[in-house]
Amino acid sequence: EIVLTQSPGTLSLSPGERATLSCRASQSVSSTYFAWYQQKPGQAPRLLIYGTSSRATGIPDRFSGSGSGTDFTLTISRLEPEDFAVYYCQQYGTSPLTFGQGTRLEIK
Amino acid sequence: QVQLVQSGAEVKKPGASVKVSCKASGYTFTGFYIHWVRQAPGQGLEWMGWVVPNSGVTNYAQKFQGWVTMTRDTSISTAYLELSRVTSDDTAVYYCARGDPIMDLDYWGQGTLLIVSS
Repeated sequence: EIVLTQSPGTLSLSPGERATLSCRASQSVSSTYFAWYQQKPGQAPRLLIYGTSSRATGIPDRFSGSGSGTDFTLTISRLEPEDFAVYYCQQYGTSPLTFGQGTRLEIK
Repeated sequence: QVQLVQSGAEVKKPGASVKVSCKASGYTFTGFYIHWVRQAPGQGLEWMGWVVPNSGVTNYAQKFQGWVTMTRDTSISTAYLELSRVTSDDTAVYYCARGDPIMDLDYWGQGTLLIVSS
């Protein structure tokens, strides 16, 4: 199975700052089938980005995704208070679908 | 609007079976896969498998083969996840999610908490 490793484990930033979250795959992943999710405490995950760089419905444009092969990035250009949450990367091109272990984005 | 509404929390003893439901509305149920994902307390997301509502075909992660069953009832637009012989390691929140071929897991249920305790 494809193992996804996210870094850092925890990211401490202030509102207004730029956040860069990384995800590395153990083998090449099709960029068509790479996604990012946001999860807040007590809530289900929410799809942010699919196909590496396409924003899901209703996702603000401060969220952007990039990458190819084994290295992918989620960037939040200017953090809003509601962006502090846990973020998961995921590949869905190869079974089993796999998730990264998550990056916790916390308020500094 | 698309909604996935799951059944309520369950408390089971080790060795028991449990069946969780996921009722879909706001879209054509047979047009999209239903995936199941679980999350143990304080842990990350773990994909369990999917069911194709149109045909009933399933695909399970290897870890869950043999003791997890995913089914569906198209007449009531509902998918089911059944776990047999549960242990304390199965204590988790179980989510159903709609699987879009391009966007993947675009809508999620609210989650069903399963507690396994003697």
